[in-house]
Amino acid sequence: GESVGLHLPTLSVQEGDNSIINCAYSNSASDYFIWYKQESGKGPQFIIDIRSNMDKRQGQRVTVLLNKTVKHLSLQIAATQPGDSAVYFCAERGGYQKVTFGTGTKLQVIP
Amino acid sequence: DTEVTQTPKHLVMGMTNKKSLKCEQHMGHRAMYWYKQKAKKPPELMFVYSYEKLSINESVPSRFSPECPNSSLLNLHLHALQPEDSALYLCASSQGYTRRLADTQYFGPGTRLTVL
Repeated sequence: GESVGLHLPTLSVQEGDNSIINCAYSNSASDYFIWYKQESGKGPQFIIDIRSNMDKRQGQRVTVLLNKTVKHLSLQIAATQPGDSAVYFCAERGGYQKVTFGTGTKLQVIP
Repeated sequence: DTEVTQTPKHLVMGMTNKKSLKCEQHMGHRAMYWYKQKAKKPPELMFVYSYEKLSINESVPSRFSPECPNSSLLNLHLHALQPEDSALYLCASSQGYTRRLADTQYFGPGTRLTVL
C-alpha cells in the first residue's frame, strides 16, 4: 500500500541553528503536502503546505522543498528556537479529503 | 480565527458506557473530520463529513458512530468500547475545496479517552 514515512524519528538541534526534517512519500498521485507541528498534549498545528506543481514554498522561518523525482519532502526551520521543540508530521493528500500522516519526527532544541 | 474546539478534554469510561465527543468550528468550513491518535503514532483518519454528509468511513467499527447535526458541529458517539480504543481523538475541519485546490485541515486540541 501507499505510505508516507520519515527518515529520522528524533532530531536534536542547537538553538539558533537551522533544522531540516525529511520525509519520503510513495504515492506518486499525491497532489498536496502539508507539514504539521504537534506539541505535547495538543492537536497538530498547520505550519506550511505545498502543492505538487511547486518545488519550494517559504513561510516565516520555514521553507518546504518538494522533489517529485525522488518523492521527497523536507521542512527547513531557520534559527531554531526552544519553542520549535515538538513532533513534526508530514502529510500527503492522495485522494479527495484523505490526508495520510507520516510517522513523525521529534525535534529537540538544545538551549 | 482558525479555532476548532473539542469537549471534553479528558474522558474516562467503562466498556458498557455510552458517551459522546463534541467538536465545533465557526470558520464556515464545510468538511469535518475525526482522527484517532495513539501514543507516539500519527493521527489516523476515521470519518469525513462533507457538506454534512458522511463521505468517508475508514472501516471504523460500529461502536463508533459519527453525527453531523449542522455545518458547525460534529459528534462522535461511543458505545461498548474496548480498552484498545483508548487514544487521543482529534477533530479537524477544512473549507471542503475540491481536489484541485489546497484544502488545509485545522485541528482541535483533542479529547483524551481512556476506556477501562
